[in-house]
Amino acid sequence: GESVGLHLPTLSVQEGDNSIINCAYSNSASDYFIWYKQESGKGPQFIIDIRSNMDKRQGQRVTVLLNKTVKHLSLQIAATQPGDSAVYFCAEKASGTYKYIFGTGTRLKVLA
Amino acid sequence: SAVISQKPSRDICQRGTSLTIQCQVDSQVTMMFWYRQQPGQSLTLIATANQGSEATYESGFVIDKFPISRPNLTFSTLTVSNMSPEDSSIYLCSVVGLAGDQETQYFGPGTRLLVL
Repeated sequence: GESVGLHLPTLSVQEGDNSIINCAYSNSASDYFIWYKQESGKGPQFIIDIRSNMDKRQGQRVTVLLNKTVKHLSLQIAATQPGDSAVYFCAEKASGTYKYIFGTGTRLKVLA
Repeated sequence: SAVISQKPSRDICQRGTSLTIQCQVDSQVTMMFWYRQQPGQSLTLIATANQGSEATYESGFVIDKFPISRPNLTFSTLTVSNMSPEDSSIYLCSVVGLAGDQETQYFGPGTRLLVL
């Protein structure tokens, strides 16, 4: 089986409910943030991004919120579906660099 | 976004041997990277693959252990040398591409390596 996510914090959500996945980032100089979804046996998939000059950005069923004051990022998934089950990573990047720093990840389990 | 493929998708290797992983992108990209994802862990950057010059390695990773080639703007290889069971990981290739007007990072499907 897939070993990714075995030791990660897990969020269990009932199908149809909203999910909120949180991430604390480390560098106050970071100005660009990404959320990735990693399904079992696959590479990380880009979901949504946000720049530091914004505090909210919406996509299809997903919303990212950025609180620079407390260095906190969250991913909200509306009407969570079984296909949303995966490990979710946040990533941050500082201006002028090309290196991304990844969070520890959260495993989302959708209960039928 | 760029389409990235990796070969092999998975392998089981004996300790002491070496494995070369290939990464192919469907368009020319400036930046290519190699990451390692150990079981149950997040992603750790190994190195930046530079076209026409030696790769730039992160702290804790050395060229003798992880030699990297990048002969052109669409292809790179990572070799895991003299493998031990601790090298069992997912190895991921990534590139920088555009999401709208923002440069962002995209990943390949990964190579799952088990060292016995």
